[in-house]
Amino acid sequence: NAGVTQTPKFRVLKTGQSMTLLCAQDMNHEYMYWYRQDPGMGLRLIHYSVGEGTTAKGEVPDGYNVSRLKKQNFLLGLESAAPSQTSVYFCASQVRGKNTEAFFGQGTRLTVV
Amino acid sequence: QQQVKQSPQSLIVQKGGIPIINCAYENTAFDYFPWYQQFPGKGPALLIAIRPDVSEKKEGRFTISFNKSAKQFSLHIMDSQPGDSATYFCAAWNNNDMRFGAGTRLTVKP
Repeated sequence: NAGVTQTPKFRVLKTGQSMTLLCAQDMNHEYMYWYRQDPGMGLRLIHYSVGEGTTAKGEVPDGYNVSRLKKQNFLLGLESAAPSQTSVYFCASQVRGKNTEAFFGQGTRLTVV
Repeated sequence: QQQVKQSPQSLIVQKGGIPIINCAYENTAFDYFPWYQQFPGKGPALLIAIRPDVSEKKEGRFTISFNKSAKQFSLHIMDSQPGDSATYFCAAWNNNDMRFGAGTRLTVKP
């Protein structure tokens, strides 16, 4: 049972390039989330999804887009990367919303130069 | 602006000590308060959680104390061990939005 798997684990992008981060979960969870973690800031919610085909904005959505075409996958896209998007990105999933445990992936370290 | 304020930023204790990490919030709509533990290179993992109608919850060596009127909650780690060295995050839920504190890096010296 793999849990939550993020791909890739590391990436270096040039300013203006685009990329997609993939999150896959095998626990049949309805809810999925994308967070970014920056020093001294904790984790901040970028976008989330409460089910297949639905997405919503979190606390810091600007510069990112997401899609949830399949229940098990949640994609995070950066259309035109900026140095301010250098961060560690975490995906999480839950069987439903609050009061249930959120399971996190191992993170993707992204550097934009 | 951080909706959940966490202190201290870092904490060093001796083995067997009782580190205490504090969090405060303003939004009274928050209604579920988990704590997460994160080791270097790993994602956060749920440690313990509490609802605001409970003043204390204990799981093993970890205890959450909750003061609803003061809008504060804290994590106590009894008989701390070097293996507890990690970063700890408090969090607060409102609907589908979980807000995290900035984190506390705990070091337990042997």
